Amino acid sequence: AQSVTQPDIHITVSEGASLELRCNYSYGATPYLFWYVQSPGQGLQLLLKYFSGDTLVQGIKGFEAEFKRSQSSFNLRKPSVHWSDAAEYFCAVGYISGGYNKLIFGAGTRLAVHP
Amino acid sequence: DAMVIQNPRYQVTQFGKPVTLSCSQTLNHNVMYWYQQKSSQAPKLLFHYYDKDFNNEADTPDNFQSRRPNTSFCFLDIRSPGLGDAAMYLCATSNGREVGQPQHFGDGTRLSIL
Repeated sequence: AQSVTQPDIHITVSEGASLELRCNYSYGATPYLFWYVQSPGQGLQLLLKYFSGDTLVQGIKGFEAEFKRSQSSFNLRKPSVHWSDAAEYFCAVGYISGGYNKLIFGAGTRLAVHP
Repeated sequence: DAMVIQNPRYQVTQFGKPVTLSCSQTLNHNVMYWYQQKSSQAPKLLFHYYDKDFNNEADTPDNFQSRRPNTSFCFLDIRSPGLGDAAMYLCATSNGREVGQPQHFGDGTRLSIL
């Protein structure tokens, strides 16, 4: 069965520092992978997605993610964090169930940014 | 801008009093989803529509129902809310049911139960 693990519940970084959020997945076929961000009191916004091709994917807001099949990982990175990046980040795997497109989410990583 | 809109943003209801949450979309997507998200947890899929075809998750309580009168609108009805139903409810849409179609989320409705 498919699953998504985000090992870090909370991460705190200083503004301007680099960031890496970890995501590991379990899926029997070619994974469709997503990163979403959720600011407090808001819905989820799609940061980036991976289906195939280049394993380094560029997203919005200066984020990128790298797919590593050998490690079953899809880690999210940003070279320099801004205070406005403080939010909850969810990694997700897309799969088909009963003929329909669904997502399974990781538990999320809450990012705090120190000035 | 094309978007997913949820109303109201905050809803307070009494224990056992039926409540309806609303979602509309201008994306013209044929799939609409309802998720429940409790504090500090991942969103959990309740059900979804593919056009008018309704699909319930196996573990969604009978207390939760949904209606989709047309492509643009979808409603979540909670017949007799309990304290455990207090959560953020997220509506999402996608363009087709092929795997890998990204889902587009509204800002959610936060439901409180008195």
